[in-house]
Amino acid sequence: DTGVSQDPRHKITKRGQNVTFRCDPISEHNRLYWYRQTLGQGPEFLTYFQNEAQLEKSRLLSDRFSAERPKGSFSTLEIQRTEQGDSAMYLCASSIHPGNSGNTIYFGEGSWLTVV
Amino acid sequence: AQKITQTQPGMFVQEKEAVTLDCTYDTSDQSYGLFWYKQPSSGEMIFLIYQGSYDEQNATEGRYSLNFQKARKSANLVISASQLGDSAMYFCAMREGLDTGNQFYFGTGTSLTVIP
Repeated sequence: DTGVSQDPRHKITKRGQNVTFRCDPISEHNRLYWYRQTLGQGPEFLTYFQNEAQLEKSRLLSDRFSAERPKGSFSTLEIQRTEQGDSAMYLCASSIHPGNSGNTIYFGEGSWLTVV
Repeated sequence: AQKITQTQPGMFVQEKEAVTLDCTYDTSDQSYGLFWYKQPSSGEMIFLIYQGSYDEQNATEGRYSLNFQKARKSANLVISASQLGDSAMYFCAMREGLDTGNQFYFGTGTSLTVIP
């Protein structure tokens, strides 16, 4: 399967610890996105990359969050000094740009984070 | 104001029947795209159907059709001949503008249960 893959799928961590999630996009996709989804809500945009350049960051991405895509392929999302409010599913998605206006973004299965 | 509103937290439908999931949107842009995603319990967001703001015909993809009423700013999803595997969360989303890098705004979702 050559879809978007995320690792780990589940992570339980103690408050104050750092966690890192990895995303491997669909191989020919040059854009990569991170979204966060809390229980009972739809996904919310965090940030996106075109190749290795981080083009946009949401205000939801506090200083404790950092995302990288060093070689324009896989990406990592690190959360430092985790708080209970960080408990959520972190979804990665990818797409091709330029594309036609109908181009959707393709999501992975998400990484569930529980901060205890 | 919410960009996407889904007013049905939960819906039930008998197997083989059709069901309509409601979605209204709010934007002042002339160019935008409307999307529906399915999220099973595994977490992955699965793209179902796309409607562009300039498309005059309602989009269809197999058993899925999008009832696009521009003046009412509604984009309801119709699933025909429901199957047990259709049980999942369904999210309506909008992307403003034509740039595929623009963020998606998601609604809070509708949980669909198909009854045998």
